[in-house]
Amino acid sequence: QLQLQESGPGLVKPSETLSLTCTVTGGSISNSGFYWGWIRQPPGKGLEWTGTIYFSGTTYYNPSLKSRVTMSVDTSKNQFSLKVTSVTAADTAVYYCARLPYWDRSGRPRRNLHFDYWGQGVSVTVSS
Amino acid sequence: QSALTQPASVSGSPGQSITISCTGTSTDIGGYNYVSWYQHHPGKAPKLIIYEVSYRPSGVSNRFSGSKSGNTASLIISGLQAEDEADYSCSSYTGSSTVIFGGGTKVTVL
Repeated sequence: QLQLQESGPGLVKPSETLSLTCTVTGGSISNSGFYWGWIRQPPGKGLEWTGTIYFSGTTYYNPSLKSRVTMSVDTSKNQFSLKVTSVTAADTAVYYCARLPYWDRSGRPRRNLHFDYWGQGVSVTVSS
Repeated sequence: QSALTQPASVSGSPGQSITISCTGTSTDIGGYNYVSWYQHHPGKAPKLIIYEVSYRPSGVSNRFSGSKSGNTASLIISGLQAEDEADYSCSSYTGSSTVIFGGGTKVTVL
């Protein structure tokens, strides 16, 4: 059974860098049939896609966050990570990691189709 | 890019059917058959219940169904049960190969 688990500090100071890691168990992050992504949910608001990464290291970011977001993958540890720089209170959210399929039902390759497995999320508060 | 529009809340009695709408534009919902829906119980991992507009992942109850007309997608929950009380979010692939979500709908079982 595939499982994803987010980890990282629950409190980050304004202007600092938020760093989170997602550990994948029950499956390989190097499987070419999947992408891996981060989604966040600020308090009282809807979900927001943050970024997506392929095991090769190719990344795709939400344009609204692109200048502050970096994702990376460590295939040896079966983990992928998220960094958000220069954080403000607006970055306070529950952060989820998730898996995305590489192919649609018709066998066409597509980025950002849907998120089929999610972690339980980690709450991050930006405050001094 | 603006989020997809969902009603903040929908309620129904056990056994009834309810519909949650999700409205976007021609560059997301209207342009692609890549709408998905997620069920989220507080404190738990969100769960994919519908993908590519109307397909259910293995293990998801057939009481959940999805459809799309123009720029609006819909999630129908039939035979409403107490365990269906949760938040539901829609999402869509977009023309710029990104993904956007709706604001979420809280379903209450009366």
